[in-house]
Amino acid sequence: AQSVSQHNHHVILSEAASLELGCNYSYGGTVNLFWYVQYPGQHLQLLLKYFSGDPLVKGIKGFEAEFIKSKFSFNLRKPSVQWSDTAEYFCAVIPWGPDSGGGADGLTFGKGTHLIIQP
Amino acid sequence: EAQVTQNPRYLITVTGKKLTVTCSQNMNHEYMSWYRQDPGLGLRQIYYSMNVEVTDKGDVPEGYKVSRKEKRNFPLILESPSPNQTSLYFCASSLGLGQPQHFGDGTRLSIL
Repeated sequence: AQSVSQHNHHVILSEAASLELGCNYSYGGTVNLFWYVQYPGQHLQLLLKYFSGDPLVKGIKGFEAEFIKSKFSFNLRKPSVQWSDTAEYFCAVIPWGPDSGGGADGLTFGKGTHLIIQP
Repeated sequence: EAQVTQNPRYLITVTGKKLTVTCSQNMNHEYMSWYRQDPGLGLRQIYYSMNVEVTDKGDVPEGYKVSRKEKRNFPLILESPSPNQTSLYFCASSLGLGQPQHFGDGTRLSIL
């Protein structure tokens, strides 16, 4: 089964700083990739997704992520964070495509990165 | 409004007393799933269902049961809850297995 690694468990930044959260996965074949955000006390919401095509994907609230297949990475970025971006961020991966068994392994989440933005 | 609805939102109960957490979606989604979220462990999948009457184990199925008799409902059953099942539980649904998932608001269970 695949695994997902998020390098930073806690990140503290000041407003207007740039953000990059790392995500690496272990599956060698085709994958669908997601970033979800969980604001305090709320459920997970989709930030962005990558299925195929342009490896630089744009999501909601100014977030973007770049898929680098050779590095098995899908890092999340935002040029200038705001206090309202304080949340927990989860990367998720599902093997997809003809070599994956139809996604039988299901969706795997990383352990999350807790982001705190200081005013 | 498209949504995934879980009930109850909070429950405190005792070891061994059977409980059911309901999950219902109004988006006609085929795929539904249950996760538990624990500090430092992220979300782990308990069970999932690709369609009516089709369910499969996720990463942590022990101690849980599910059923999918109707497309919209996917209840999670704890036949004999134990304290190690104290957690925050999320139900999710999507159009299909590889598609983005819509999450419910969560159910916080405390098993004493």
